Amino acid sequence: EVQLVESGGGLVQPGGSLRLSCAASGFTLSHNWMSWLRRAPGKGLEWVANIRQDGSDIYYVDSVKGRFTISRDNARNSLYLQMNSLRVEDTGVYYCAREIAAAGRGEVRRFDYWGQGTLVTVSS
Amino acid sequence: QSVLTQPPSVSGAPGQRVTVSCTGSSSNIGAGYDVHWYQLLPGTAPKLLIYGNSNRPSGVPDRFSGSKSGTSASLAITGLQAEDEADYYCQSYDSSLSDVLFGGGTKLTVL
Repeated sequence: EVQLVESGGGLVQPGGSLRLSCAASGFTLSHNWMSWLRRAPGKGLEWVANIRQDGSDIYYVDSVKGRFTISRDNARNSLYLQMNSLRVEDTGVYYCAREIAAAGRGEVRRFDYWGQGTLVTVSS
Repeated sequence: QSVLTQPPSVSGAPGQRVTVSCTGSSSNIGAGYDVHWYQLLPGTAPKLLIYGNSNRPSGVPDRFSGSKSGTSASLAITGLQAEDEADYYCQSYDSSLSDVLFGGGTKLTVL
């Protein structure tokens, strides 16, 4: 059974840092792109960042570029999100998710397994 | 304001059929990009319900179905059950934004 378990969330002041972790089990992590997504209070889902199987390609949503860093350790079956210079608007539940890459014309990458999420609150 | 527009809420009685719409434009759904649907239940991991417009992953009941036409997509739920009360999100890709995007979400209430 595929399982993803996030940890590392909490309350932090604006400008502070947090490191989120995602422990993967039930599949071979090195076979998939992985993503972080978030859901802000009262708002919808937002994709945050993703990373290729071997870590050689990484992408971020514009709002976190230069502040967040996604990484992975396939040997430890783990995905990470280092979040620096946190802002109030970064508050939300952060999810890690396994990606199924788009394979052809018109196809769109999808997220077939998600964790339960970890809450990040940025507030003074 | 999301690029993919969903109604904020829908409701239905147990056993009824409800639909959730996802309206886009010529740079996303209308350009032929796939639409996926997710279910978010409080305190649980989000679940992929429909992928590639109308395909159900293994384990998803056939009460859930998806369709796409023009610049819109729809999620239909038949035989509504109390456990279906959740938030539902559509997802696609936008060529103008060069990014994956989600609809604003729809809260389904089972009366």
